[in-house]
Amino acid sequence: SQTIHQWPATLVQPVGSPLSLECTVEGTSNPNLYWYRQAAGRGLQLLFYSVGIGQISSEVPQNLSASRPQDRQFILSSKKLLLSDSGFYLCAWVTGQGHYGYTFGSGTRLTVV
Amino acid sequence: AQKVTQAQTEISVVEKEDVTLDCVYETRDTTYYLFWYKQPPSGELVFLIRRNSFDEQNEISGRYSWNFQKSTSSFNFTITASQVVDSAVYFCALSETGRGAQKLVFGQGTRLTINP
Repeated sequence: SQTIHQWPATLVQPVGSPLSLECTVEGTSNPNLYWYRQAAGRGLQLLFYSVGIGQISSEVPQNLSASRPQDRQFILSSKKLLLSDSGFYLCAWVTGQGHYGYTFGSGTRLTVV
Repeated sequence: AQKVTQAQTEISVVEKEDVTLDCVYETRDTTYYLFWYKQPPSGELVFLIRRNSFDEQNEISGRYSWNFQKSTSSFNFTITASQVVDSAVYFCALSETGRGAQKLVFGQGTRLTINP
């Protein structure tokens, strides 16, 4: 079966510390992978997407970066967190053209203090 | 660029009432897909429905129904006989093509509270 794993579920980090969020999918190959962020009380904003290993597209300028070292692994990183990086981060995957709906992970709630 | 507008930020109704969540979209694509997702308090996004731009038939699934009208660029969602378990944030989304990958553009969401 196709599943998506995202961890950790919650994270509290001090300002200026590094960040690494990991997302892995199972049961599929060559998926398109996405990182979305949801700020408190707001909608979902697409941060990065990847159509293949080593291929990263950034949607908005920010303090974050993404990498895809393996086909089914997508990592969101930061060298130095800002308060404004707080939010709910969701990983998603889709195969093909994505018209059959995206599957989202359970999310990571990041609080930068 | 594509855009999705959910004008209703919050809606609060009493259980068993019917409630409609509005969604208006903008796109220049002739082929596109529309989605609704539910986000319960736990945070995960639950897929509810997908509709392609060539299929304007309304859809009903139990207490849920969707009204797609291309003439007004709207894709509204109605819950009949609402229940407390329907309380959640609901997102409307539009698929967008860009640089080899489909991307979902979300509305800001409507927080629905069903009071007992």
